[in-house]
Amino acid sequence: EVQVVESGGGLVQPGGSLRLSCAASGFTFSSYWMYWVRQAPGKGLVWVSRIKTDGSYTRYADSVKGRFTISRDNAKNTLYLQMNSLRAEDTAMYYCARGGAGNTGLDPWGQGTLVTVSS
Amino acid sequence: QSALTQPASVSGSPGQSITISCTGTSSDVGGHNLVSWYQQHPGSAPKLMIYDVSNRPSGVSNRFSGSKSGNTASLTVSGLQAEDEANYYCSSYTSSSTFLFGGGTRLTVL
Repeated sequence: EVQVVESGGGLVQPGGSLRLSCAASGFTFSSYWMYWVRQAPGKGLVWVSRIKTDGSYTRYADSVKGRFTISRDNAKNTLYLQMNSLRAEDTAMYYCARGGAGNTGLDPWGQGTLVTVSS
Repeated sequence: QSALTQPASVSGSPGQSITISCTGTSSDVGGHNLVSWYQQHPGSAPKLMIYDVSNRPSGVSNRFSGSKSGNTASLTVSGLQAEDEANYYCSSYTSSSTFLFGGGTRLTVL
């Protein structure tokens, strides 16, 4: 079964850091672009970042640029999101998703990991 | 990076058809045939329904279809069923090599 499973969320104080992980299984991880998308409580989806198959190319939403870093370990079939200088507005469910093979549809998505930034 | 514009809500009766619009600019929706649509039931992860404007992934009902005209993409759901009640989000690739989502549309089946 093709799946991705996020972990690493939790409660962190403003200005703090957190690293999210996304474990992939059921497909050749190194062949797919990977993405992070977040959703604040009761709000809509917001694209956060993406990374190329070999990790050589990354892009970020303006709201996280300079604070978040996406990376991957193809040997471990794992995607990461290092989040620094966290703000209250970063509070959200963070989803990991696989990019399409030759297309831009995201599928599948994980169940998400909740990040809460609060003092 | 402003979100794509979707109506907040749409509704229809079982068996009817509805259309959800997604309006962007020539830098995103209008400039690329890379629009996707996602369905999200409360408390669940999003599910891909349409990719690259009008393509359906394997396993998605053919009652769901997508199209695009200019800067506006559309998702049509025909033969509405109770299980279609959910939130729907559009997404587009942008000329900045990033992605944008729409604000989401709540579909209510009356």
